[in-house]
Amino acid sequence: EVQLVESGGGLVQPGGSLRLSCAASGFTVSSNYMSWVRQAPGKGLEWVSVIYSGGSTYYADSVKGRFTISRDNSKNTLYLQMNSLRAEDTAVYYCARSPSPYYGDYYFDYWGQGTLVTVSS
Amino acid sequence: QSVLTQPPSASGTPGQRVTISCSGSSSNIGSNYVYWYQQLPGTAPKLLIYRNNQRPSGVPDRFSGSKSGTSASLAISGLRSEDEADYYCAAWDDSLSGPEFGGGTKLTVL
Repeated sequence: EVQLVESGGGLVQPGGSLRLSCAASGFTVSSNYMSWVRQAPGKGLEWVSVIYSGGSTYYADSVKGRFTISRDNSKNTLYLQMNSLRAEDTAVYYCARSPSPYYGDYYFDYWGQGTLVTVSS
Repeated sequence: QSVLTQPPSASGTPGQRVTISCSGSSSNIGSNYVYWYQQLPGTAPKLLIYRNNQRPSGVPDRFSGSKSGTSASLAISGLRSEDEADYYCAAWDDSLSGPEFGGGTKLTVL
């Protein structure tokens, strides 16, 4: 059974850092495209970042230069290192799997339960 | 501001058929697949429709998707109280080089 379990969220001051983890089971993280998607309180979904099976990484403009996506193949775990955090980064962060490697065919078939990040002084 | 436009709300009575629209452009819906997600209150999103009109295993055939040009629609027939949720469309955007979501539609079952 495929499962994604996020952890690492919490309260952090503006300008601070936080690292989110997403432990996967039932499939191999390194063989799939893995993403982070966030949802601000009462708002819609926003794609944040992706790491391809080959290791390439991409980011939304809103987090480029501040967030870093990575994975640990030995732990089958996805990470999101978030630096220089701002109030507008406050959101529930979900990790999600994208099953298709084809350009333009980019969707999320499994999602974690989410972890809340609150950026406030 | 989302590049995919959805109505903020929709409603229907049990048994009714409702549709939710998603409007985009040539760089997203016009040239790529459309996907739909359902988010029940307090839960993570769930894939409802992929590649315009395909249902993942376990999704009832009451849910159907369609696409025409730069617009797409999600139809729910035989509306049930448990369908009350937020629905999001999504598509890859060639000009933004990333996946984009619509703003979401809150469906109320009256």
